Amino acid sequence: DTAVSQTPKYLVTQMGNDKSIKCEQNLGHDTMYWYKQDSKKFLKIMFSYNNKELIINETVPNRFSPKSPDKAHLNLHINSLELGDSAVYFCASSQGQTRGNEKLFFGSGTQLSVL
Amino acid sequence: QKEVEQDPGPLSVPEGAIVSLNCTYSNSAFQYFMWYRQYSRKGPELLMYTYSSGNKEDGRFTAQVDKSSKYISLFIRDSQPSDSATYLCAMKDPELSFGAGTTVTVRA
Repeated sequence: DTAVSQTPKYLVTQMGNDKSIKCEQNLGHDTMYWYKQDSKKFLKIMFSYNNKELIINETVPNRFSPKSPDKAHLNLHINSLELGDSAVYFCASSQGQTRGNEKLFFGSGTQLSVL
Repeated sequence: QKEVEQDPGPLSVPEGAIVSLNCTYSNSAFQYFMWYRQYSRKGPELLMYTYSSGNKEDGRFTAQVDKSSKYISLFIRDSQPSDSATYLCAMKDPELSFGAGTTVTVRA
């Protein structure tokens, strides 16, 4: 069984569209994350979220918004997509928050291509 | 300047060789040091984790941390084709910061 699963695996869309990426974890973890990996493999955190606190990386445009219907899901909504949004987006989870030694479990990624 | 700098690679080595991967960092507050391995079209997975300066071994893998020099390394002994992947160093401050990754290919 996949611990952290995200859909779709590939997403190709036009500039200006609004799209969502879904993420689910079956590990019972408290905290979920969204990371962006650019073409040079640089992995950067976008959001971390548990049921008490949403932490937003200040560099993330407000076109990006996480939505969590419950503890096991953290979806990523992106409005008015831009060419520069093309990247691989990874969902991850951990038992606690990455303020200690918690191990992150990553999904397989969603490759977003904006045309 | 990024907080975490990683040798960009790529590296291509013959099977059985020792692979050496390195990262430097500028933030003295980093406390935890990790190496993640990422196979093609997959998410990163934690490979090694260490807190203090010194060496930590796990099978064919050795993680080395030198806090005084702000330098960490990962060594892979007797490398195998299955070790072919991108290796990312990561450090906590407490937030996690990743290096850009080094892609390693082990040739059979």
